[in-house]
Amino acid sequence: AQSVTQPDIHITVSEGASLELRCNYSYGATPYLFWYVQSPGQGLQLLLKYFSGDTLVQGIKGFEAEFKRSQSSFNLRKPSVHWSDAAEYFCAVGGSNYQLIWGAGTKLIIKP
Amino acid sequence: NAGVTQTPKFRVLKTGQSMTLLCAQDMNHEYMYWYRQDPGMGLRLIHYSVGEGTTAKGEVPDGYNVSRLKKQNFLLGLESAAPSQTSVYFCASSRAGTGVSYEQYFGPGTRLTVT
Repeated sequence: AQSVTQPDIHITVSEGASLELRCNYSYGATPYLFWYVQSPGQGLQLLLKYFSGDTLVQGIKGFEAEFKRSQSSFNLRKPSVHWSDAAEYFCAVGGSNYQLIWGAGTKLIIKP
Repeated sequence: NAGVTQTPKFRVLKTGQSMTLLCAQDMNHEYMYWYRQDPGMGLRLIHYSVGEGTTAKGEVPDGYNVSRLKKQNFLLGLESAAPSQTSVYFCASSRAGTGVSYEQYFGPGTRLTVT
């Protein structure tokens, strides 16, 4: 069955430090992969996506993610986090019947 | 361009009451979705629609009904609310097409409490 695992429920990072959020997926074919962000009290917003081609994809707000087929991973990175990046981040893979398969989310906490 | 809007933003219901949540999108999207979000459980799909007049069940459809009479609107109904339906409800929409259908645009959510 298709699934998405985000192993970290919470991550705390100091402002200005680098960030990596992990995402592993289980999917038979070449996946469509996504990262969404949810700021407190808000809906979700698409950060970036991978469909095919270059395995390093750039998104909004200075985020990037790398697709590694051999590791079934799509980790999200940012070289230097800002306090405004505090949010919950969701990884998702495109499944059957137009549905997204969602990870449980990782809450990012920024230390001043 | 308002994107995806949801009405109401907050609601408190007593057990057994009914209500309808309204989702509207002005992007001419074909697909629309209703999710619920509970702490530690991520997003779970309730129902979805791939076009006007068409709806389908998602992962957790029990206790909910939906209708898509107009392309821009997607209604979620609770016929007899239960405390287990206390949650934050999100509506989303997307274009039709391979891959792009997964690029979903979300509304701000409705926080529902059932007492």
